[in-house]
Amino acid sequence: LAKTTQPISMDSYEGQEVNITCSHNNIATNDYITWYQQFPSQGPRFIIQGYKTKVTNEVASLFIPADRKSSTLSLPRVSLSDTAVYYCLVGVNTGGFKTIFGAGTRLFVKA
Amino acid sequence: SQTIHQWPATLVQPVGSPLSLECTVEGTSNPNLYWYRQAAGRGLQLLFYSVGIGQISSEVPQNLSASRPQDRQFILSSKKLLLSDSGFYLCAWRGPGQGGEQYFGPGTRLTVT
Repeated sequence: LAKTTQPISMDSYEGQEVNITCSHNNIATNDYITWYQQFPSQGPRFIIQGYKTKVTNEVASLFIPADRKSSTLSLPRVSLSDTAVYYCLVGVNTGGFKTIFGAGTRLFVKA
Repeated sequence: SQTIHQWPATLVQPVGSPLSLECTVEGTSNPNLYWYRQAAGRGLQLLFYSVGIGQISSEVPQNLSASRPQDRQFILSSKKLLLSDSGFYLCAWRGPGQGGEQYFGPGTRLTVT
């Protein structure tokens, strides 16, 4: 299983774009990159997933360079409600699909 | 659409008492199911996962056990709770996508006193 490394915490202001980078140097050929958001006392919520290049949905964008050893979650124009912990995972949908959640990145959005 | 339920939402149990947490999934068949535990301010620790009825894989040696008596039912149990079992317990199922995204239930907050 590929290990991921993320910043422990980040601060931002409302209306700014926030980029959270995750390192996964040992990513395997078949691994996908998945990001989750978690609010206090709730389960993590799936945000976005990608394999290579760029993926965009209504919530975020995910940028993956050609070597796939890192990925960047981009949240456009954050609001106070985006204050949460963001987790980056790598893995593939085969077999039991063991998953390892790291400590995540605690994003604090200020007014 | 798929939904996942967990109960109870909160639980306070004395040390040495038994535990039973239940998770059910609706709207999908033969899902991969997971139990996680989250200590206060920490990340998620994978406890068990199951690829089918009666098939359980344990990730962490401990006094907890899991069972899957039906396709969409996943149960977490303990015969004797420890103080260290306190935490936020989350059940999840894996979506059909190639990347294996997971969808989580609302969680159970367990306090062992």
